Formats: sequence, structure tokens, C-alpha cells
Amino acid sequence: AQRVTQPEKLLSVFKGAPVELKCNYSYSGSPELFWYVQYSRQRLQLLLRHISRESIKGFTADLNKGETSFHLKKPFAQEEDSAMYYCALSDMDSSYKLIFGSGTRLLVRP
Amino acid sequence: DAGVTQSPTHLIKTRGQQVTLRCSPKSGHDTVSWYQQALGQGPQFIFQYYEEEERQRGNFPDRFSGHQFPNYSSELNVNALLLGDSALYLCASSFSRNTGELFFGEGSRLTVL
Repeated sequence: AQRVTQPEKLLSVFKGAPVELKCNYSYSGSPELFWYVQYSRQRLQLLLRHISRESIKGFTADLNKGETSFHLKKPFAQEEDSAMYYCALSDMDSSYKLIFGSGTRLLVRP
Repeated sequence: DAGVTQSPTHLIKTRGQQVTLRCSPKSGHDTVSWYQQALGQGPQFIFQYYEEEERQRGNFPDRFSGHQFPNYSSELNVNALLLGDSALYLCASSFSRNTGELFFGEGSRLTVL
């Protein structure tokens, strides 16, 4: 079954500390992985996608097919990074839907 | 560009009633997807509309139906409401060739009493 797992509901770090938001997936096809973010009082928006291989707002994520993971990382957290983060999966070949994880709330303390 | 707009923002219904939620996609987008987000959960795919037809459907009963109009706007209808239908309903639009990059609305929060 297709599934995205985000094991942490809440991740609390201090400003300047490294951040790693975990995402594991279960899928047998050709997955495309995404991270979506929702800042306070804003709508859900795309942060990055694995095929772009970009660094957005200092965040990076590498698709590890062997470990079926797509962890989101940032070396130095900022207070403005506090938000709800969702990992999502889509089938590159045939699916039009995104499968979301349950989300991780990142709290960056001053 | 106002982005994706949804209406109403909040509504309260009773069990057995019917509800219609509306969505206008971002300018230039031709594809609309609907998601249900229960409290503490990630969004769950309901269905997607493209060229006025349902292109794919998630694991939701037939009580959930939709429509897309020629101007690409869309409606989500839910019949015979159950308490468990209480959730935030999100509309997302995209351009057909880039369906992984979704632009979300702020959602319609439905409470079923």
C-alpha cells in the first residue's frame, strides 16, 4: 500500500541548531517526493520536490530509494522556519494524486 | 492574482444534510483537486477534475461528488452528511502537466452536528 510516514508530530530545536524532519515512504512504483509547508495563518504551499534538487530557504532533501526516505534538512534553523511540514508522494508515471504524511510541527525557539 | 479561492470558509450542518463547497483555481490553472484534512492528519485525496471530468478518485464513498465548470472552477458536493465528514476541505489547483505542484486554497471548514 502507498503510505507516507512522518514519525514525529513535534520537533523542537533552538535557533541555529540543525534540523532534520523525517519522512519514510512505502511505494513500489516510481515515486516523486515533495515537501509542503504551512506557516501560521497561511495556506499550504510547496517547499521543494526531489526532482528539482534545489535548496529552498536553506532546506534540502535527498531521496534515498534504498532506505525509502526523503528527510528534510537544514543546517541552521531560524525562528521563521517554525511551521507545519508535510511530506508527500506521487507516482511519476500514472497518478495525479498526492499522498500526504500526517505532518511534523517544527518549533524553532529563540 | 488572488490565488485559489474557496467558499464558504466555515459552515455547520446537521447529519443527513447535503453541502456544496466551491473553488476557483489560480489564474492559468486548468486542474482542480479536492482534499479532506481531518484534525491532526495530513490532507487525503478525494478526487481530481480536468477538462470537466473526474480524472482520478481516492478512497471516498459515492456520497462525495464533484463538478468542474468550463471556466475551470469546481464544486464538491457531499450528501447524507455523517459526523465523520467534519473536516477541513482543501481545494488545490495546478497546471495539467505539473500536477505535483499544487496551489492550495485556505479551505472550507465543515462541522457536522
